[in-house]
Amino acid sequence: KNQVEQSPQSLIILEGKNCTLQCNYTVSPFSNLRWYKQDTGRGPVSLTIMTFSENTKSNGRYTATLDADTKQSSLHITASQLSDSASYICVRGTYKYIFGTGTRLKVLA
Amino acid sequence: DTEVTQTPKHLVMGMTNKKSLKCEQHMGHRAMYWYKQKAKKPPELMFVYSYEKLSINESVPSRFSPECPNSSLLNLHLHALQPEDSALYLCASSQEIRVAGESDTQYFGPGTRLTVL
Repeated sequence: KNQVEQSPQSLIILEGKNCTLQCNYTVSPFSNLRWYKQDTGRGPVSLTIMTFSENTKSNGRYTATLDADTKQSSLHITASQLSDSASYICVRGTYKYIFGTGTRLKVLA
Repeated sequence: DTEVTQTPKHLVMGMTNKKSLKCEQHMGHRAMYWYKQKAKKPPELMFVYSYEKLSINESVPSRFSPECPNSSLLNLHLHALQPEDSALYLCASSQEIRVAGESDTQYFGPGTRLTVL
């Protein structure tokens, strides 16, 4: 069983709309939790990093939240753009990353 | 500069060929990683080098042979691959490997798309 589960598996939204992606993790102890964006056929790019003491972190139109009690994180994308179409991966772990199952986002014009 | 470069971008090889994938970073990172990623799946860790020494081998078949000639370069030598080895191969680097506390961010290269015929 994957220790980092993401939902939904895929999502289609219209350009300009907001969306929220979910991540549930069961791994512990906790060091930090990361969100990466991966365009098709490209390497993942780091979006946000949150430590145990942080409950929100923003990077432009991307805002990640973390609830360490419920072991849940979310990534909120505001005013989506066509270029947001990608897979979004939640990552837990130290030097050995534990990747989530990913959410494939498609933004339509 | 947070760039990790990989060559080639695409590679097609037969099962009897020998080829190499190359990865380079100039961020002064001392940890470098090879991942394999199949379509619609998360990356799978293959190897980790720390200070140019192999630290982790995730039970990868011997037809994959990593090499770290210096702190900036990482190679993956391929020999006698199988069609199921076709995948996107990602290289990443980070400042160091930390076994406790907060981990360093891994910076990924664009990947090499490998097709084995």
